[in-house]
Amino acid sequence: DIQMTQSPSSLSASVGDRVTITCRASQGISNYLAWFQQKPGKAPKSLIYGASSLQSGVPSKFSGSGSGTDFTLTISSLQPEDFATYYCQQYNSFPLTFGGGTKVEMK
Amino acid sequence: EVQLVESGGGLVQPGGSLRLSCAASGFTLSPYWMNWVRQAPGQGLEWVAGVKKDGSDKYYVDSVKGRFTISRDNAKNSLYLQMNSLRAEDTAVYYCARGNAFEYWGPGTLVTV
Repeated sequence: DIQMTQSPSSLSASVGDRVTITCRASQGISNYLAWFQQKPGKAPKSLIYGASSLQSGVPSKFSGSGSGTDFTLTISSLQPEDFATYYCQQYNSFPLTFGGGTKVEMK
Repeated sequence: EVQLVESGGGLVQPGGSLRLSCAASGFTLSPYWMNWVRQAPGQGLEWVAGVKKDGSDKYYVDSVKGRFTISRDNAKNSLYLQMNSLRAEDTAVYYCARGNAFEYWGPGTLVTV
């Protein structure tokens, strides 16, 4: 199984900060990597697929990069609505696997 | 508007069974790979099962193989998860999600074992 490791597991940031979250795959997954945002009590929301393609309707402050084993999600200027937990997920091979999540909290 | 709505969750005794349903609206299910994902209380996301658009291929996480069965009825625009021999560790919110990259999710249904 492909293990997905996110770092950090949590971070504290202020409105306006640039935030970067890292996701590492235990083996190469090409660009079959997605990012999700989840707020408490809600379903996850798709942000990015194909490592760097923005889902329709997702603001451009979110961006993704990487290929192979190392990936990043960047929020260019953190806004109050962005405080949430973020997950990466590989869909290169079965079983599909998620990272453990990164909780973005207000400093 | 694309919508997925899960139903069928509830409280069940260990060893019992439940059948979850996911009703799709605002789009036709048939062209899409479909998935079930679960989230135990306070925990992260775990992919449970996926099914090819025509139902011909199905995949499962090891922990549910032999106990859970994913299926779909494209004519009814619906996805299902039959869960047998349920265990306490199956307690979670179960979500259905559309596509290889999980672009749309339902609000989830809670299963308590």
